Amino acid sequence: EAAVTQSPRSKVAVTGGKVTLSCHQTNNHDYMYWYRQDTGHGLRLIHYSYVADSTEKGDIPDGYKASRPSQENFSLILELASLSQTAVYFCASTLSTEVFFGKGTRLTVV
Amino acid sequence: GDSVTQKQGQVTLSEDDFLFINCTYSTTTYPTLFWYVQYPGQGPQLLLKVTTANNKGISRGFEATYDKGTTSFHLQKASVQESDSAVYFCALVINTGNYKYVFGAGTRLKVIA
Repeated sequence: EAAVTQSPRSKVAVTGGKVTLSCHQTNNHDYMYWYRQDTGHGLRLIHYSYVADSTEKGDIPDGYKASRPSQENFSLILELASLSQTAVYFCASTLSTEVFFGKGTRLTVV
Repeated sequence: GDSVTQKQGQVTLSEDDFLFINCTYSTTTYPTLFWYVQYPGQGPQLLLKVTTANNKGISRGFEATYDKGTTSFHLQKASVQESDSAVYFCALVINTGNYKYVFGAGTRLKVIA
C-alpha cells in the first residue's frame, strides 16, 4: 500500500512567521506534489518535483518555496505566512498515473 | 490551457437515488481521466480511471464513460448509500515529459438516509 505521510497534521501560525510543512513517501515514486485545498477551488498545485534536488513551480507558487532533499522527502516552506495562506495542504506522490495523497495538513494563520 | 470543469458544487440525494455528477474537460492532448473521492478528514483517493483506449471505468458501483465527442467524463451510480457521502473530484493527467495533473473544483455529495 502506497504511503504518503504529512507532518504536522495541523498547525496554527502567526502572520509573518515561517512555516515548514513536511512530506515523506515510502512509495519509491519519482513525482511529488504540493496542493492546497480551499472551499470552492478544489485542489490547486503549488509546487512539484520529479527528481531529488529539483523543484518546479505549479499554478499558484507565489508565497511558497519547496525543497526536495531526497526522493522520499518534499517540504513546503512559507517564509512569511499570511492570512490568505490559511488552507488545507496536501502532499502527493506518483510514479506515472495514479496519485497517492497524504491525509493533509490544516494550516491556520492568525 | 488544460482544464476540468465541475459545475455542481453540491448534490444532495436520498439513499437509493441515482447519482450523476457532471465533468467536462479541455485539453489538446489525449488525457487519462480519473475520478477521485475524498472522505472527511482524509486525502483524495482514486475511485476509477479511464484511458482513451478503454473508454469506461467501473469501481465500487460507480461508473464513468469517456466521451471524446462531448469531452465529458460524467460519474454515475445507480443507487447511492449514505456511506457514499464525500467530495468527488474529476481529474486528468497529461504526459508532457512530466506528469501534469489538473483537478476539478470538486462536487460534495450528501446522501440522506
